Amino acid sequence: GNSVTQMEGPVTLSEEAFLTINCTYTATGYPSLFWYVQYPGEGLQLLLKATKADDKGSNKGFEATYRKETTSFHLEKGSVQVSDSAVYFCALSLPNSGYSTLTFGKGTMLLVSP
Amino acid sequence: DGGITQSPKYLFRKEGQNVTLSCEQNLNHDAMYWYRQDPGQGLRLIYYSQIVNDFQKGDIAEGYSVSREKKESFPLTVTSAQKNPTAFYLCASSMIGQGGETQYFGPGTRLLVL
Repeated sequence: GNSVTQMEGPVTLSEEAFLTINCTYTATGYPSLFWYVQYPGEGLQLLLKATKADDKGSNKGFEATYRKETTSFHLEKGSVQVSDSAVYFCALSLPNSGYSTLTFGKGTMLLVSP
Repeated sequence: DGGITQSPKYLFRKEGQNVTLSCEQNLNHDAMYWYRQDPGQGLRLIYYSQIVNDFQKGDIAEGYSVSREKKESFPLTVTSAQKNPTAFYLCASSMIGQGGETQYFGPGTRLLVL
């Protein structure tokens, strides 16, 4: 079946540090890949996505590249801020009769200190 | 503003009681979804629907029921058969297309058992 594996957290960083959150996937077919972010007590917000191999998604300084050869979609940011503290979810979707259900990883908590 | 609303924000259930969580969207999306979030577990799909009066079971549908009488609305009922209902419930919606469509999430409802 389809699955997403993320590095376990929490990831603790100082402000302005470099961030990497690893994400690998297993899927039959050619999935689309997503990163969602969840702030405490809130729903999920789309951070970025990529729909085909070698695509790079980017938003708010975050980036991730769809690597088919390593089945990975690692999230990176060059300089984190305290306001980036949240839980980050990697997810995949496969087309199914025109709509797509998401398969999520377990989430990685990021804590950024001043 | 377009978006997804969920109510209530907090809901308390007594033993043997059915409770209904509301989800409304004004994004004109055809597809709607319900997820359950438990600490450290990521999100798991309960039910989804791509058209009025039609819906499909997700990975953990037992103890839950849904209806889709209007395009904008997709209420979830947690029945007394669900023995461990305490969780954070998230509703989402998306367009229907070729795959890779972004799902947009509501703010969630936290269900607690008295």
